[in-house]
Amino acid sequence: KAGVTQTPRYLIKTRGQQVTLSCSPISGHRSVSWYQQTPGQGLQFLFEYFSETQRNKGNFPGRFSGRQFSNSRSEMNVSTLELGDSALYLCASSIAGNADTQYFGPGTRLTVL
Amino acid sequence: AQRVTQPEKLLSVFKGAPVELKCNYSYSGSPELFWYVQYSRQRLQLLLRHISRESIKGFTADLNKGETSFHLKKPFAQEEDSAMYYCALSGSARQLTFGSGTQLTVLP
Repeated sequence: KAGVTQTPRYLIKTRGQQVTLSCSPISGHRSVSWYQQTPGQGLQFLFEYFSETQRNKGNFPGRFSGRQFSNSRSEMNVSTLELGDSALYLCASSIAGNADTQYFGPGTRLTVL
Repeated sequence: AQRVTQPEKLLSVFKGAPVELKCNYSYSGSPELFWYVQYSRQRLQLLLRHISRESIKGFTADLNKGETSFHLKKPFAQEEDSAMYYCALSGSARQLTFGSGTQLTVLP
């Protein structure tokens, strides 16, 4: 079974720009969660989508948004990038949600200059 | 609010020695607790979860509700256990909260 894939793997953007990251879950998984990982804050939950609906949201500003498509693929968008948005963004999929085993992707490394 | 604390950022033990990675949590309800591990240049992956009560790669973890702890233990550490270990909690909000992680190094 193919694992979770994330594209692109690396991104460099400048302040004020926006970015879209993509995540393809494991086939059959309907839940996709996004996390931000930084050296200072560690792994922080961004949001979770299940069957195209945002089911949970972490404590991040509205500049961070996401969506899920009917094939369970998910995208997250960050608008008006700030230097502090530089991080590794991880996507995880599971069959039904956060209490299930989360299968993580390799992450997208975003650098904001 | 739910919170997970891993007090040790770094932990070094010698091969064959016992190892214990500490995890304490704060949550008012009945949590689901997990240990995730990230080996060098690999993805974050589930090591074990408390409801399954199984031993994975020789590791065990017992949920102690009185002490609100979920420490990870292994009686005899191996060099291949060197990795970053994260304790995580899922509560009623179905939001996975991770601890800050412990980097375990097993010395030869």
